[in-house]
Amino acid sequence: GAVVSQHPSRVICKSGTSVKIECRSLDFQATTMFWYRQFPKQSLMLMATSNEGSKATYEQGVEKDKFLINHASLTLSTLTVTSAHPEDSSFYICSAPVTGRETQYFGPGTRLLVL
Amino acid sequence: TQLLEQSPQFLSIQEGENLTVYCNSSSVFSSLQWYRQEPGEGPVLLVTVVTGGEVKKLKRLTFQFGDARKDSSLHITAAQPGDTGLYLCAGISTSYGKLTFGQGTILTVHP
Repeated sequence: GAVVSQHPSRVICKSGTSVKIECRSLDFQATTMFWYRQFPKQSLMLMATSNEGSKATYEQGVEKDKFLINHASLTLSTLTVTSAHPEDSSFYICSAPVTGRETQYFGPGTRLLVL
Repeated sequence: TQLLEQSPQFLSIQEGENLTVYCNSSSVFSSLQWYRQEPGEGPVLLVTVVTGGEVKKLKRLTFQFGDARKDSSLHITAAQPGDTGLYLCAGISTSYGKLTFGQGTILTVHP
């Protein structure tokens, strides 16, 4: 089956630094990818839709200058958390739908801890 | 904005008991999916239901999609400790796959 990978799996950084998270579709092309944020024992909250070759679409309340998304190729989307603060600590998950199918594959997630 | 109300939020039961998780919305979805997620991992798709009134079975798990495609349920028979996890329903409302997630149900099955 289709596989989506994320890198890194976990990252610890100091407050004020920027962190980049990669999401890759390993054996299929994804013109669209989704980025979610998840707090402990809670559901996934959609942050933005990453579109290959165009600007990302952000959900209401998500700061586009804070969470930079780049979908530079059909297999790679990146989420950069700029000037990270402790409240940005969370589990970030990406997903990619397979074109023409309603199946969506999720990455294993990235645990971000900002000290 | 489409919303999915999932209940209960927490469920703690003994091994061997049955349980049902509900997912309700005032909106119609083209299809609805159920996922299971373990701590520190991404969600794993269990099933997709597409047709109103559809019933799908996956071993001890039974999934139903409401006739009007606004609600769904997950029933687990004879729960086992290995069923412990976060269960999520998600509705698909557009052709390019944007998901709307319910709040999730944390299931704990005690041996």
